[in-house]
Amino acid sequence: DIQMTQSPSSLSASVGDRVTITCRASQNIANYLNWYQQKPGKAPQLLIYAASSLQSGVPSGFSGSGSETDFTLTINGLQLEDFATYYCQQTYSTSWTFGQGTKVEIK
Amino acid sequence: QVQMVQSGVEVKMPGASVKVSCKTSGFTFTQYVISWVRQAPGQGLQWMGRISVYNGDTKYAQMFQGRATLTTDTSTSTAYMELRSLRSDDTAVYYCARQSFEWLPKQDRALYYSDYWGQGTLVTVSS
Repeated sequence: DIQMTQSPSSLSASVGDRVTITCRASQNIANYLNWYQQKPGKAPQLLIYAASSLQSGVPSGFSGSGSETDFTLTINGLQLEDFATYYCQQTYSTSWTFGQGTKVEIK
Repeated sequence: QVQMVQSGVEVKMPGASVKVSCKTSGFTFTQYVISWVRQAPGQGLQWMGRISVYNGDTKYAQMFQGRATLTTDTSTSTAYMELRSLRSDDTAVYYCARQSFEWLPKQDRALYYSDYWGQGTLVTVSS
């Protein structure tokens, strides 16, 4: 299986900060990379698909970049509602896999 | 509007089976792929498998191969996930998710992403 490694595992930030989360794939996955946000007790929500395409309805402060093995999720101007856990997922191989998650906490 | 409504909480004994349902509405069920993801308490997301509703084709994560079965009922637009030989470490919230896709011409195949999710079903395995 393709392993997805996110960093950091957690971070503390303040409202208004710019936050960057990285996701590394164990092999080339082109741009078959999605990002999700999950809040406690809720189902995940799609933010970004195909590495950089913003899902409809997602605020423009979220952006994604990268290809092959290295990907980034950036949150510009962190809002209170953005404190959550973020997951990357590859859908390149037959067996899909998630990163372990990055928890964004309030500083 | 798209809705994915899952069945309720389940409590099972070790060794038993569980079957979770995911009733969908608001889209043409037969045109989509449905995947299943689980999340153990305090842990991350784990992909279990997917089913193409239009042809019944299934793919499973290796760790669930032979123990999980994904099915659909097109007459009720419902997807099902059955997990057998339950163990305590199967205690988790189980989610269904609709897969939409974008065709990537450079790769000449589709990229799938989960755009709508069920609310989750807690399955507790305990003696």
